[in-house]
Amino acid sequence: AQSVSQHNHHVILSEAASLELGCNYSYGGTVNLFWYVQYPGQHLQLLLKYFSGDPLVKGIKGFEAEFIKSKFSFNLRKPSVQWSDTAEYFCAVNAYAGNNRKLIWGLGTSLAVNP
Amino acid sequence: DAEITQSPRHKITETGRQVTLACHQTWNHNNMFWYRQDLGHGLRLIHYSYGVQDTNKGEVSDGYSVSRSNTEDLPLTLESAASSQTSVYFCASSDGRMNTEAFFGQGTRLTVV
Repeated sequence: AQSVSQHNHHVILSEAASLELGCNYSYGGTVNLFWYVQYPGQHLQLLLKYFSGDPLVKGIKGFEAEFIKSKFSFNLRKPSVQWSDTAEYFCAVNAYAGNNRKLIWGLGTSLAVNP
Repeated sequence: DAEITQSPRHKITETGRQVTLACHQTWNHNNMFWYRQDLGHGLRLIHYSYGVQDTNKGEVSDGYSVSRSNTEDLPLTLESAASSQTSVYFCASSDGRMNTEAFFGQGTRLTVV
């Protein structure tokens, strides 16, 4: 079955530390990949997405992610986090299942950045 | 600007009552989804629709129903609310093509007492 795995459930960092959140998926076909962010008390917002082309994608607020097809991974990175990055981060894969497209979600990673 | 709105934002209801949560989008998207978000479970798909008159069950559909009579709306009905359905509910939409993302509503916090 198709699935998305986020390795870190809770991450605590100090400001200016570097961030890498892991995301692996299981699906052998064509995929679109997403990272969404949910700030406390808010809805999910798109952080960045990969559809095709350059596997290193840049998103908002200094985030980037690298698609490594051979590893079925789409890890999220930020060189220097800020307190305002405290949020829940979700990885998602849009995969074809027959004629349908389904968004498959990871369980999320809670990031707390200490000032 | 196009948007997706949910109402109400907060609701408290009693066990056994029927509850309907509204979701309205002005993106003209074909696809609409309902999720619930619970601590430790992430986002779980309840029901989804790929177009008018189309509805499909997600992974946690028991006790919920949806109907899609037009493009803009996908109301979610809890037939007989249970305490286990206390959760935050999110509606989302996408235009159905492969290379597009989903847009989320602000969420509805439902408490069943």
